[in-house]
Amino acid sequence: DTAVSQTPKYLVTQMGNDKSIKCEQNLGHDTMYWYKQDSKKFLKIMFSYNNKELIINETVPNRFSPKSPDKAHLNLHINSLELGDSAVYFCASSHDLTVNTEAFFGQGTRLTVV
Amino acid sequence: AQSVAQPEDQVNVAEGNPLTVKCTYSVSGNPYLFWYVQYPNRGLQFLLKYITGDNLVKGSYGFEAEFNKSQTSFHLKKPSALVSDSALYFCAVRERSGNTPLVFGKGTRLSVIA
Repeated sequence: DTAVSQTPKYLVTQMGNDKSIKCEQNLGHDTMYWYKQDSKKFLKIMFSYNNKELIINETVPNRFSPKSPDKAHLNLHINSLELGDSAVYFCASSHDLTVNTEAFFGQGTRLTVV
Repeated sequence: AQSVAQPEDQVNVAEGNPLTVKCTYSVSGNPYLFWYVQYPNRGLQFLLKYITGDNLVKGSYGFEAEFNKSQTSFHLKKPSALVSDSALYFCAVRERSGNTPLVFGKGTRLSVIA
């Protein structure tokens, strides 16, 4: 069973479109995250949710809107896609906000905006 | 603000030789430290973490890391490298207080040559 799963794995779309990436975890974790990995492999936190509540929102354009319908899901919706949004987006989860718990990552969604 | 430095973009080592991937960090107070590995087209996998106690931490796949407070380092090591260890390795740090996210280094690509 996949612990953290993201769909789709690949997403190619045109500039200006709106798209969503879904994430689900079956680990019973309370906390979920979205990370962005750019072309140079640099990983940066975008959002963190705990029990469906937004905890961390780094400097991310308003076009990015996370939605957490329940503890097991954290979806990422992106409006008016731009070329610079092309990256690999990773969903992750951890047991809770306790800082010593490790995060478990999904396989990533490679977004290409053309 | 917390930060992580991985000074080497690439590390090459012959199979059977010991390997070291370097990491230094900067946080306020004492850190929680993590190592993750990323294989091609995959998500990040947790390797090991330092929370407290023994400075030498043992993790998955024969990897270990040593926490050195005076040098603010957490280098990843393995006594005998395998070709299958070839991957991208990320060091990460988290402050011990507050809802702070994991902050990752830029990654080090390890190539083990047969």
